[in-house]
Amino acid sequence: DTAVSQTPKYLVTQMGNDKSIKCEQNLGHDTMYWYKQDSKKFLKIMFSYNNKELIINETVPNRFSPKSPDKAHLNLHINSLELGDSAVYFCASSLGRIGELFFGEGSRLTVL
Amino acid sequence: GENVEQHPSTLSVQEGDSAVIKCTYSDSASNYFPWYKQELGKRPQLIIDIRSNVGEKKDQRIAVTLNKTAKHFSLHITETQPEDSAVYFCAPNTGFQKLVFGTGTRLLVSP
Repeated sequence: DTAVSQTPKYLVTQMGNDKSIKCEQNLGHDTMYWYKQDSKKFLKIMFSYNNKELIINETVPNRFSPKSPDKAHLNLHINSLELGDSAVYFCASSLGRIGELFFGEGSRLTVL
Repeated sequence: GENVEQHPSTLSVQEGDSAVIKCTYSDSASNYFPWYKQELGKRPQLIIDIRSNVGEKKDQRIAVTLNKTAKHFSLHITETQPEDSAVYFCAPNTGFQKLVFGTGTRLLVSP
């Protein structure tokens, strides 16, 4: 019974393409996140939603657009992919804004 | 500020030894101090956390100590085992109510 699930697990695509990653949590949490982990393993927050409202929007290119249709879902759409977008993208959720983060398995994006 | 640094960046120990990883932060508003473990190819998972009203917390072989005055907190692992090998991240919160992950420490425990 997966708590935070994200799809797809792997994406390989060409520069300039558009791609989406979906995330769902069944923990009843009210806050969801997107984190980016680069090749050096640095984990950086990109976006956070609390009860479907965007509360954190880091300095991320406009090509990245999150969307939260409801509290249990947070999707990430990326336009005009660039080589530097290659990374592992983790979805996470928590109860409240400060507390344990439950991560999904990650989506490894490779841009060629 | 959101500077969160960890030291050392890599740590190699023999099985049975102790390991200590230090996390230094800059935001005086931080009041929540968790540690995450990420095994190779896996997701980060919380292993222990502490809030600012407590100076130390222990859970079996792992412990976290907090020095709020000096703005640092440390992860202590005793009697290390090969399965403790992973990358460890601290992630204190900021005044903007988000967790900022540290630079990571790669721990290698040799049998």
